[in-house]
Amino acid sequence: EPEVTQTPSHQVTQMGQEVILRCVPISNHLYFYWYRQILGQKVEFLVSFYNNEISEKSEIFDDQFSVERPDGSNFTLKIRSTKLEDSAMYFCASRAAERLNTEAFFGQGTRLTVV
Amino acid sequence: AQSVTQLDSHVSVSEGTPVLLRCNYSSSYSPSLFWYVQHPNKGLQLLLKYTSAATLVKGINGFEAEFKKSETSFHLTKPSAHMSDAAEYFCAQGGRRALTFGSGTRLQVQP
Repeated sequence: EPEVTQTPSHQVTQMGQEVILRCVPISNHLYFYWYRQILGQKVEFLVSFYNNEISEKSEIFDDQFSVERPDGSNFTLKIRSTKLEDSAMYFCASRAAERLNTEAFFGQGTRLTVV
Repeated sequence: AQSVTQLDSHVSVSEGTPVLLRCNYSSSYSPSLFWYVQHPNKGLQLLLKYTSAATLVKGINGFEAEFKKSETSFHLTKPSAHMSDAAEYFCAQGGRRALTFGSGTRLQVQP
């Protein structure tokens, strides 16, 4: 069964460092997303991406965040200068279509710890 | 803005007894609603979805959910809990671009 894969599963980084979280969406999907979940809190939408550009972003997704689809398979989230409050589980998701009733398929997440 | 409310942060049941996880969603003409499950160190797995067909939706692993428009609810149930059901469960509502999640309910299953 096709699945979304994320690497690494865990990342520890020092405050101020750049991190890149990687995702391989399902191959025939066209819509890609990043969500995050701070420990004990809700899963929150960060950004959606379609046709090589951001289609929507939340207020969380400020200038320190960027996304890229560098090739035909990977979808990355970069945090330029990490802060302690960026510590969270980051989920990548993909969808085949952007209709309301189309489910999103999620990866297993990357747990980012900023120290 | 959409909001999804999961009324219980923790639910504990005994193995073999029924499970009820509650979810209320933002009122919408034709909502799309989902339940996801997250096992430890795993991603979010879709359990079931409501897309304005039958109001009682059957999902995987014996779970089902009933859409009640009058109550703006989409509660998840299972007649008989199994130890392997212990996990975090998330209710979500489909939006124009992304999903809005509830805060999650941790289900514990006691032997």
